[in-house]
Amino acid sequence: EDKVVQSPLSLVVHEGDTVTLNCSYEVTNFRSLLWYKQEKKAPTFLFMLTSSGIEKKSGRLSSILDKKELFSILNITATQTGDSAIYLCAVALGGSEKLVFGKGTKLTVNP
Amino acid sequence: SAVISQKPSRDICQRGTSLTIQCQVDSQVTMMFWYRQQPGQSLTLIATANQGSEATYESGFVIDKFPISRPNLTFSTLTVSNMSPEDSSIYLCSVRQGALTDTQYFGPGTRLTVL
Repeated sequence: EDKVVQSPLSLVVHEGDTVTLNCSYEVTNFRSLLWYKQEKKAPTFLFMLTSSGIEKKSGRLSSILDKKELFSILNITATQTGDSAIYLCAVALGGSEKLVFGKGTKLTVNP
Repeated sequence: SAVISQKPSRDICQRGTSLTIQCQVDSQVTMMFWYRQQPGQSLTLIATANQGSEATYESGFVIDKFPISRPNLTFSTLTVSNMSPEDSSIYLCSVRQGALTDTQYFGPGTRLTVL
């Protein structure tokens, strides 16, 4: 069974802290890994990663994939209260249209 | 990315009734999908909405319970039939804009509560 596991499940930090969110996967036919931010209802796209070791960066957010060890991390530096959300990791499967999602990490950033 | 709208944004329904959720995209897209997110759980794919033909359902989801239509490349509906409290969830449509990307963009979601 294809599995995506995120850790921690929840995290509380203070503004200005740096956080690292983890995503490990065990799937039959890996094609790519995606990160989303979910506030309220709709997930918004952050990154798509297909190659190991190549960091993707957008402002204070960055992510990297390790296809040998089957995991990805999402880093957020200098956190702000607006970063409070659930961060979802998903894996796209080869030969399928399906995205398999992890349960998410709930990040709370306190002022 | 495409602009996606969903209607209704939320609803409270009685057991045994049905609700149809609409998903509209502002541009033609190759793929449309329907997901469910039960309370405290992650997103689970219900089905891929195929234009002009029957949807492709994931294991555990059936057409009689979740009939889907996709009459053109910008619009799809999901019906939740004969509802029970276990159907209380957020229902999300998503789109993919080409065959060369795995990125899916999500609509704003419909929060359904069944009493």
